Amino acid sequence: AQSVTQLGSHVSVSEGALVLLRCNYSSSVPPYLFWYVQYPNQGLQLLLKYTSAATLVKGINGFEAEFKKSETSFHLTKPSAHMSDAAEYFCAVSEETSGSRLTFGEGTQLTVNP
Amino acid sequence: KAGVTQTPRYLIKTRGQQVTLSCSPISGHRSVSWYQQTPGQGLQFLFEYFSETQRNKGNFPGRFSGRQFSNSRSEMNVSTLELGDSALYLCASSTYPTDTQYFGPGTRLTVL
Repeated sequence: AQSVTQLGSHVSVSEGALVLLRCNYSSSVPPYLFWYVQYPNQGLQLLLKYTSAATLVKGINGFEAEFKKSETSFHLTKPSAHMSDAAEYFCAVSEETSGSRLTFGEGTQLTVNP
Repeated sequence: KAGVTQTPRYLIKTRGQQVTLSCSPISGHRSVSWYQQTPGQGLQFLFEYFSETQRNKGNFPGRFSGRQFSNSRSEMNVSTLELGDSALYLCASSTYPTDTQYFGPGTRLTVL
């Protein structure tokens, strides 16, 4: 069975500082991994997706994530936070055999301080 | 290309009533999935449809049902509403089940 753990339900950074949101997964088969962002009163927007083509995945808005199989991690980073990055971020996993079924982490609320 | 649309965006019902939510996928997408989002349980998978067939179902009671039409539009129905059904219901579509899913804005259901 697949599962996702996001370390830290709330993360606060200063504008211009590094953003690091942590995600660890559990999967019995090679996983597909995703990061989604949710702004207030909106749906989920895909930031990036890992499908085994490359371990370092670049996404939109300057975000990237690195797949580390040995650590079962898929942490999300951005070199310099912007006020507009304030939102809730979700890590998710799916497997080839589970079709479109995504299993989400609990979410991390990112606050960006001026 | 238009995104996933969900109607209505907001809904208020009372306990015991039933409700139907609608989702129109991105043009050309044949797979539709539904998720429930609550503060306590987070994002939980409800069910997945592909070519009018339910392929996958999450751990929800039988009061939750859905269907998909030949044009890939999908509806979900919740009967005998309970207070705990208050949530944001999200629909996502993809070309095929294993492809990237794109989410709609959701329907906010409040049960009084």
